[in-house]
Amino acid sequence: EAAVTQSPRNKVAVTGGKVTLSCNQTNNHNNMYWYRQDTGHGLRLIHYSYGAGSTEKGDIPDGYKASRPSQENFSLILELATPSQTSVYFCASGERGENTLYFGAGTRLSVL
Amino acid sequence: AQSVTQPDARVTVSEGASLQLRCKYSYSATPYLFWYVQYPRQGLQLLLKYYSGDPVVQGVNGFEAEFSKSNSSFHLRKASVHWSDSAVYFCAVSPNNNRIFFGDGTQLVVKP
Repeated sequence: EAAVTQSPRNKVAVTGGKVTLSCNQTNNHNNMYWYRQDTGHGLRLIHYSYGAGSTEKGDIPDGYKASRPSQENFSLILELATPSQTSVYFCASGERGENTLYFGAGTRLSVL
Repeated sequence: AQSVTQPDARVTVSEGASLQLRCKYSYSATPYLFWYVQYPRQGLQLLLKYYSGDPVVQGVNGFEAEFSKSNSSFHLRKASVHWSDSAVYFCAVSPNNNRIFFGDGTQLVVKP
């Protein structure tokens, strides 16, 4: 079965600090995605990737960077965290041409 | 603009009652259509998906959805809900094979 693992599951950061959220998938999927989930906004796409070495901007990329060093790993980086980035972040993977997404369990980030 | 609308933020039903969760989309062509479910503190899981063929598609756990091109809708139904169906349900659309857009979600509360 598809497996997407996010770490950490919970994170408390200080304003202005750097935060890295990690995602690992064992599905050998080409596509990976980072979403954030906020009450009243559903899921919003931050960055996505079509494969190792590629990253694309989603709908709300400002304040975030992404890195896809390998097929399995996709990181989301907050260089200067702000309280507005407090949210639950989900990573997902999917096969190219097959739109079903497989989600991780989420990372709850609080920026104080 | 392309959009996915779930008009009901919260739906409460009694156990054993029937259920319909509404979803409307606005795209020029028929996109791929999905329903995902999110249980507390978990990532999203696929319930069912549709692209073509029979407008009524069956999913897991007794859920089904009906596509209506004339109404641009993809409503989710279940004949008899169980308390374990309490969760947040997301409608999603994909106009192509790589981007998926989610609605804001409907929280389903099943009363005993």
